[in-house]
Amino acid sequence: AQKITQTQPGMFVQEKEAVTLDCTYDTSDPSYGLFWYKQPSSGEMIFLIYQGSYDQQNATEGRYSLNFQKARKSANLVISASQLGDSAMYFCAMREGGSQGNLIFGKGTKLSVKP
Amino acid sequence: SAVISQKPSRDICQRGTSLTIQCQVDSQVTMMFWYRQQPGQSLTLIATANQGSEATYESGFVIDKFPISRPNLTFSTLTVSNMSPEDSSIYLCSVLISWDSPLHFGNGTRLTVT
Repeated sequence: AQKITQTQPGMFVQEKEAVTLDCTYDTSDPSYGLFWYKQPSSGEMIFLIYQGSYDQQNATEGRYSLNFQKARKSANLVISASQLGDSAMYFCAMREGGSQGNLIFGKGTKLSVKP
Repeated sequence: SAVISQKPSRDICQRGTSLTIQCQVDSQVTMMFWYRQQPGQSLTLIATANQGSEATYESGFVIDKFPISRPNLTFSTLTVSNMSPEDSSIYLCSVLISWDSPLHFGNGTRLTVT
């Protein structure tokens, strides 16, 4: 079974609107962390936001927020006020408590922002 | 944060040859990892580079094909051996500074095997 599932291969959003990128995860480890990365066409991996399994509040970083629903095992990324520069691949990833610190990545969602 | 220098940034290699990729970090880090990103795909962990000992490989990756060294806390190399066109990918070095921090990635090595 996949540990990280991103069901949206591609998404379109109008500039200045908000968009939600879906991510569900599967783990039996009570301690884990969830991460979102952005990968523009240049190929670099840019860290966006982190949510720990014991965090009580949803993480926010500027225009990025994470809608963390623990019971549903989902960690959706919300981007507010989309900009043309947000067009990129977005990867959801998980670190399990029993790991050596590595991340398991989902297949990614390609976001295209339309002017 | 950490500044990661990964070399080369890209290369075109002939089938049957080997390429060694270097990863240098500007500070001591807890863990170093090597990932592969095949064209249009996600990132897959190749191995954990262990300082002073043999790397820990993920299922589907073997030491003979991807030998890894990590002689100290700031440097690691990944060799792609006896290359075939199927090895054409982006290879990424990543580092972990502390447990609750994200992985920091190098800019990757774009490898094309002809």
